[in-house]
Amino acid sequence: AQSVTQLDSQVPVFEEAPVELRCNYSSSVSVYLFWYVQYPNQGLQLLLKYLSGSTLVESINGFEAEFNKSQTSFHLRKPSVHISDTAEYFCAVIQGGGSYIPTFGRGTSLIVHP
Amino acid sequence: SAVISQKPSRDICQRGTSLTIQCQVDSQVTMMFWYRQQPGQSLTLIATANQGSEATYESGFVIDKFPISRPNLTFSTLTVSNMSPEDSSIYLCSVVGQANTEAFFGQGTRLTVV
Repeated sequence: AQSVTQLDSQVPVFEEAPVELRCNYSSSVSVYLFWYVQYPNQGLQLLLKYLSGSTLVESINGFEAEFNKSQTSFHLRKPSVHISDTAEYFCAVIQGGGSYIPTFGRGTSLIVHP
Repeated sequence: SAVISQKPSRDICQRGTSLTIQCQVDSQVTMMFWYRQQPGQSLTLIATANQGSEATYESGFVIDKFPISRPNLTFSTLTVSNMSPEDSSIYLCSVVGQANTEAFFGQGTRLTVV
């Protein structure tokens, strides 16, 4: 069975500082990896995804994540955060060739201070 | 992509009553799911809504408590029955896209049971 671990429940950071949100997964087969963002009182929105090909994927708002198969990780990074990045971030995995039901991590609350 | 309309967006209900949440998708989708997101926690899969047959429930969730309907490929309902304060949560409708490589979410229903 697949599982997703987000070690940090909360990450406080100052505006314009870099940030990394960690995500590790466990699966014995190929996976598709995702980061979703949930702004206050809203549903989940896809931030970026890794399906195949280049292990570095980017979002339109400056986030990037790198798929590391040997470390079974998919950490999310941004070199300079904004106040508007304050939100809950969820890492998710879909097992290739399986049920296609995503499994989510517990979420990391990114809090950007001015 | 898929656009999901979920309603109500929020409700406050008396214990012992039931609430039905509706999920409408703008395109036909094979896979539709219902998740629960308790305060400060990640998403927990309640069930897979199957068109034309009974929903498939995850461990810890039963049909008597969470009856689900899926009359066609674009619509589903989740009922939270005989509610107690422990049912206070956000309930999210989700679908997996045609390529089975991304999950889309409704805005969620924020339920408070008093």
